[in-house]
Amino acid sequence: EVQLVESGGGLVKPGGSLRLSCEASGFSFTKAWMAWVRQVPGKRPEYIGHIKSSSDGATTSYTDPVKGKFSISRDDSRRTLYLDMANLGVDDTAVYFCVTYGSLPDYWGQGTLVLVSA
Amino acid sequence: DIVLTQSPDSLAVSLGETATINCRSNRSVLYRSNNKNYLAWYQQKPRQPPKLLIYWASTRQSGVPDRFSGSGSVTEFTLTISGLQAEDVAVYYCQQYYNSPRTFGQGTSLEI
Repeated sequence: EVQLVESGGGLVKPGGSLRLSCEASGFSFTKAWMAWVRQVPGKRPEYIGHIKSSSDGATTSYTDPVKGKFSISRDDSRRTLYLDMANLGVDDTAVYFCVTYGSLPDYWGQGTLVLVSA
Repeated sequence: DIVLTQSPDSLAVSLGETATINCRSNRSVLYRSNNKNYLAWYQQKPRQPPKLLIYWASTRQSGVPDRFSGSGSVTEFTLTISGLQAEDVAVYYCQQYYNSPRTFGQGTSLEI
């Protein structure tokens, strides 16, 4: 069974930083492209970036709102995906999901809430 | 980015009846070389991640009841839910995976 378990969310002050993690199991993580998707409650989900597999160079791509602020990385030995977030603003408040990224069907974690507030 | 617009924003349907949700793309999501539409439908219930229902515009994901069906091509798509059940109350999103970044429609809230 595919499982994606996010962690690391919480309350952070504006301008602060946070690292999210996503532990994967039940599929070949080393071959998988992975993405982070965030969702403000009541709004549509928003892809913020993805990372290719290590064999494909582990190159990353980001959407404009997070370019230069967020960084996606992976540790295949730990089967873990990371999202490093810096200079957080109140508009970064959302539930952050870890998602497999490639041909569908895709798999989603349950998400972790990031609340940016003074 | 590809923009997806769903209609209606919300919908109330009686149990056992049929719900129809539309999704329009501002650009084609049909890849001519394989004749596949890169369009999916998701269902989301409160405090849960989106759940994939349909991909390639009309292929039902394993385990999804056959009362859910998808149709359409190029820029116009439809999700049809027949014989509505109480458990179908949710927000439904279309998503395109033709281009990066993948984008979602604004969502349609389905009520009984």
